[in-house]
Order: sequence, then C-alpha cells, then structure tokens
Amino acid sequence: LAKTTQPISMDSYEGQEVNITCSHNNIATNDYITWYQQFPSQGPRFIIQGYKTKVTNEVASLFIPADRKSSTLSLPRVSLSDTAVYYCLVDFLKAAGNKLTFGGGTRVLVKP
Amino acid sequence: DGGITQSPKYLFRKEGQNVTLSCEQNLNHDAMYWYRQDPGQGLRLIYYSQIVNDFQKGDIAEGYSVSREKKESFPLTVTSAQKNPTAFYLCASSTSGQGRPFRNQPQHFGDGTRLSIL
Repeated sequence: LAKTTQPISMDSYEGQEVNITCSHNNIATNDYITWYQQFPSQGPRFIIQGYKTKVTNEVASLFIPADRKSSTLSLPRVSLSDTAVYYCLVDFLKAAGNKLTFGGGTRVLVKP
Repeated sequence: DGGITQSPKYLFRKEGQNVTLSCEQNLNHDAMYWYRQDPGQGLRLIYYSQIVNDFQKGDIAEGYSVSREKKESFPLTVTSAQKNPTAFYLCASSTSGQGRPFRNQPQHFGDGTRLSIL
C-alpha cells in the first residue's frame, strides 16, 4: 500500500532549524520525493526534490537515508514567513500500485 | 509572466448540477493534474494528463470528468454523480522528459477553486 506519513504539526522559533520527516513505505529505487509549501487559500509551491542521499538548494535541504523509507526536509534559520503547511509527495512509480501520493501535511508555526 | 490560472476562485453548485472548473497554463508544460483538497488534509489526485488527448484516472476519479483538447487547457467537470463535491480544487502542471518520468518533475500549482454546494 502506497502511503506517506508526516507529523501533523510542529512549533519553532525564529532563527532555528526545522526538520520535518516523511515516512514512505514500499518506495522503489527511483521513486522521487518532493516537498511543497502551502499558505492558506493558495496552491502549493515547490521547495526541493530528490531520490537518494542529500540534496541542497538555496532554501532547504533534503536528507534521504540509505533504506529510503523516510526523508527529512530541513529548513535552516526559519523566519515568521515560513509559517505554512509542508507536504511531502512521493511518486510510487514502480511500486505499491503506481500512485502519486501526498502526505497529510505538517503545519509549522514559527514564533518570534 | 508564466503560470497557471484557475477560475473562478469561488464556485457554488446546486444539487444535481454539473460544473466545470477552468485551468489554463502558459508554461508550455506537457503534463497537467487535478487534485482535491479537503480541510486539514493532503491533496488527492483526481486525474492527470501527460499529453494532449490523453488522460488517466487518479485515486478519486469517480464523479469527475476531464478533457485535454489543447496543451494549455485541462478543464475539470464535477458531475452530479460526485456526492460530496465541496472542496478546494487545485490544478498543476509539469514538464516531461529531461531524463525522468513526467510525474517525477516538480509541479507548478494554480491558486485553486473553492467549490461549495448551495
């Protein structure tokens, strides 16, 4: 069964690092993991994507351990404007029913 | 400025009516998608299209229909068979090729249409 699981919410403070983990069972070797940010009444916005080891861009890092059963989005030095809901998306392209599956989202609240 | 336009932003439907949600993109993307989002939940895939005149059912296609006659447009019809249509509907697009499947490409989203039942 293709399923992605995330924590429902987490709080942080300005300037801290936020790490959000997504669990994804039955992931195949080349299935990609993508993270999106969503503000109320808007469409999700792409943050970062990868399928193995570590990926870094100007706003975030994505860590994927060797067993690939989970992945962690890392947001360095968050600000108030990073308060949003964060979703992981896994394309179970070759496994678990060929499903494109979003996690339920993690609501991140950044406090001053 | 390239992007995806969804219209209208708010839509109301009477019981037994079909309604069509518009999605237009000028990003020259081959693939387009429709998702449904219920309050406090993640997105669920309704339909997707890799190329003009081709589309595939997602996880919750029952009660919905789509067409893809033009590359730029992917309208979604919510039929009267959809018993619980009240939701936030999101359209997205992505490139294809570049050495990996189109579904592995980052998706660009519109700002959604909120559909309610009168």
